[in-house]
Parts: sequence; structure tokens; C-alpha cells
Amino acid sequence: RKEVEQDPGPFNVPEGATVAFNCTYSNSASQSFFWYRQDCRKEPKLLMSVYSSGNEDGRFTAQLNRASQYISLLIRDSKLSDSATYLCVGMDTGRRALTFGSGTRLQVQP
Amino acid sequence: EAGVAQSPRYKIIEKRQSVAFWCNPISGHATLYWYQQILGQGPKLLIQFQNNGVVDDSQLPKDRFSAERLKGVDSTLKIQPAKLEDSAVYLCASSFNIASGELFFGEGSRLTVL
Repeated sequence: RKEVEQDPGPFNVPEGATVAFNCTYSNSASQSFFWYRQDCRKEPKLLMSVYSSGNEDGRFTAQLNRASQYISLLIRDSKLSDSATYLCVGMDTGRRALTFGSGTRLQVQP
Repeated sequence: EAGVAQSPRYKIIEKRQSVAFWCNPISGHATLYWYQQILGQGPKLLIQFQNNGVVDDSQLPKDRFSAERLKGVDSTLKIQPAKLEDSAVYLCASSFNIASGELFFGEGSRLTVL
């Protein structure tokens, strides 16, 4: 079983839609979680950290449920520029290594 | 501020040949990583350095892959001999504060093995 699992998508949504991605993790040693964004044929870039209390950055909201080992990312009012692959990432605080999921592809259509 | 530099950007070789990739991290970043990203998958950690010491190389196929960071700055990743399944993008990343979860990636070196 992969440490971090994501639905690969693609998610095809119209502009202005709200879309949610989910991610599950199996390594209970994972203490910190993040969402990265990767544009086509580009390198991954940090989008936001994920906290148990939930955190929001503009149109993006991330949530962590440790009991269910579940992470989510919500994007409101989708823009064409949001089209990308979203990578769920867990960090084993002891090893200080980041483990990436396979990514969920989002395509926002006009 | 200069980002993570990698070279070459593209490399095509035949199986059983060797190849080397170079990475220069952001100045002052003590932690350096090499990731392998196969098409359609997320990046997979190959090796992690802290200064010039190896922190984690548990997923590095040591029979054919090697990496070094001799002076604690730039790094090289070598594959010898290459196999078809090594076709991937090799991403180098560096971090100043890993607790932040922020890795700065280079543009990657795309390897095609024929």
C-alpha cells in the first residue's frame, strides 16, 4: 500500500466551480502534511501546509483529519489558471523526508 | 535569488550506458534531495543529504545509482548501467528549513533510455 494515496482524476470542472480533492495516508509516523502544485512539465511548488484546525489561503482551504488519516484540499471559484496537478505530501518528522502522492489532475474549463 | 540549477535538461541514452546529472542548490540550503518522477506518478525520494552527509538513501537502487555531495554544496547523481525503467525526470531540491515543508525544486533533468 502506498504511503500517500490520491485519486488521479482528472477532475474536469467549469470556471467558478468548487472542487475538492482527497488524500489518505498510511504512515502514522507522518506528522506534517502539505499540498504541492505541479504545472505540466514543470517542477512541483509548495501550495500550502495542512493543519488539524484547518487553514485557508484565499480560495484554497486545506484540512487534516488525523483520526481518519485523511487530508483534503478545497478550491473555490476555480480559475483557468488553477489547472494543474495537485500533490498530497506527508512528512515523517523523524526522518525529515517528504513522501509525495501520485497527484490529482485538475482541468478547469471555460 | 538564484534557484536550484540542474543540468543537463534533457538526455537520451541507450540501455546499459551511463549518465550523470548535476545539481547546484540554493545558496545556504544545507539539505539537498534527489527525486525520481516517472510519468504519471509523484516524485519518489532517491537520496537526501544534510550538508555532505547522507540522511536517507533507503530507496536508492545502489546497484546502479550513486550520488555524492562532496563539499556540501553541489551534487551529482549517476546511473550506471541505465535500464529502460530509469526513464524519468530527475528532480533536485533543496531546503533551508525542512520543518516548513518547503522544498525548492530545480526544473529537472529528463532522461530517456532507449
